[in-house]
Amino acid sequence: EIVMTQSPATLSVSPGERATLSCWASQSVSSNLAWYQVKPGQAPRLLIYRASTRATGIPARFSGSGSGTEFTLTISSLQSEDFAVYYCQQSKNWPPPWTFGQGTKVEIK
Amino acid sequence: EVQLVEFGGGLVQPGGSLRLSCAASGFTFSSYSMNWVRQTPGKGLEWVSYIDSSSSFIYYADSVKGRFTISRDNAKNSLYLQMNSLRDEDTAVYYCARASRDGYDFWGQGTLVTVSS
Repeated sequence: EIVMTQSPATLSVSPGERATLSCWASQSVSSNLAWYQVKPGQAPRLLIYRASTRATGIPARFSGSGSGTEFTLTISSLQSEDFAVYYCQQSKNWPPPWTFGQGTKVEIK
Repeated sequence: EVQLVEFGGGLVQPGGSLRLSCAASGFTFSSYSMNWVRQTPGKGLEWVSYIDSSSSFIYYADSVKGRFTISRDNAKNSLYLQMNSLRDEDTAVYYCARASRDGYDFWGQGTLVTVSS
C-alpha cells in the first residue's frame, strides 16, 4: 500500500498570505495525485487532479505542482473561505485503495 | 447539478448493524463507479469501499472486510453500505463519492455513524 504523508499538520496563516502545503508518497505515483478541501458539515471538494489540473470551478489562487513522490498545494492569497483541512490522495495503484494523507489544517493566524 | 445525499446514520451499539444509503441525481448514475469514504477526528479521511458501475468489481479496506457490504441499485440511482459487527473505531462521518479517472469528483455531505454503548 502506498503511504501518503502531509506536512505540516497545522498551518497558521493570515488572510491574504500565501499557504504552501506538502505531500509525499512512499513510492512514485507519477502525476496521479489529487487534493481535496474539507470543511465541517460540507461535502468535501476536489480542488486539483493529476497533480496540477484545477477541477471545474476552482479559483486560480489554488495551484498544484510536483510528480513522483513530492507534491505541493499552494494557495496564493488566502481568503476567509479557504480555512479548512486539505488532503492529498494518490490514484496510482489499482485495485484500490487510493490512499489519503493525514491532512493539513489551515487555520487563521 | 450533481447531487449525492447520504442517509441512514445514527447511534448503534457495538456489535450492531446499520445500513447507509446514498441517493444520486444530476448524472447518469449507472455509468460511474462509486465509493464510500469515512472521516474520523483522529485519522482523517479513510477509503472504505469501491463498486464499479455494473457491480462487477468490489473492493474493501482491510479494516472493514468481512463486516461491510457495498451494493448499488442503478434503477433507483442508489448506493448502499451494509455495516455489520460494528466497532467503536467505525465511528465516523461516512461519505459517498463518485469516482473519476483522477480522483473523487463529487461527494455527499456525509452521514454520522456513532458506535457506542
